Amino acid sequence: AQSVSQHNHHVILSEAASLELGCNYSYGGTVNLFWYVQYPGQHLQLLLKYFSGDPLVKGIKGFEAEFIKSKFSFNLRKPSVQWSDTAEYFCAALWNSGYSTLTFGKGTMLLVSP
Amino acid sequence: DVKVTQSSRYLVKRTGEKVFLECVQDMDHENMFWYRQDPGLGLRLIYFSYDVKMKEKGDIPEGYSVSREKKERFSLILESASTNQTSMYLCASSFPGQGYGYTFGSGTRLTVV
Repeated sequence: AQSVSQHNHHVILSEAASLELGCNYSYGGTVNLFWYVQYPGQHLQLLLKYFSGDPLVKGIKGFEAEFIKSKFSFNLRKPSVQWSDTAEYFCAALWNSGYSTLTFGKGTMLLVSP
Repeated sequence: DVKVTQSSRYLVKRTGEKVFLECVQDMDHENMFWYRQDPGLGLRLIYFSYDVKMKEKGDIPEGYSVSREKKERFSLILESASTNQTSMYLCASSFPGQGYGYTFGSGTRLTVV
């Protein structure tokens, strides 16, 4: 079965620190990749997505992610986090095969201390 | 603004009850999905539907059923609720085809006592 794995379940950073959240996906052919964010008490929101083309994708709120095909990775980055970035982050993949559905990683809880 | 609306934010039900979770989208999306979200497990797909009256099992369909009588509405049914179904339930919708992100509802937190 196809899968998505996120490296860390919990990350704690101080404000202004740089962020990188790891995400790997299993092989399954052509894949579309997503990062979602869930702020406390709120619904899931799309941060960014990769379909094709430039492997460096820029999203909302200063986030970006890099698709590295050879490593099956799609890591999320932000140069300087803020307290308001405290949230849970989910990596997800959608493989181009039949009625493929979005498969999520288990999530990474980011806590940013002021 | 496009919306996926889940009828209840919080629900408390007794073991053995039949539970209906309702989801409505206003984006004319063909695809609709039900996930459950549990700490440390991420989101797991229960059922999805790619058209009216069509349904497909996801990764964890046991104990659940669904109904899609109209394009905009997708209902999740717990035939006989059990305590291990206490969870956050998320509905989502999308256009068909690869590359479309899903739009999620705010979720229903169900507690079965």
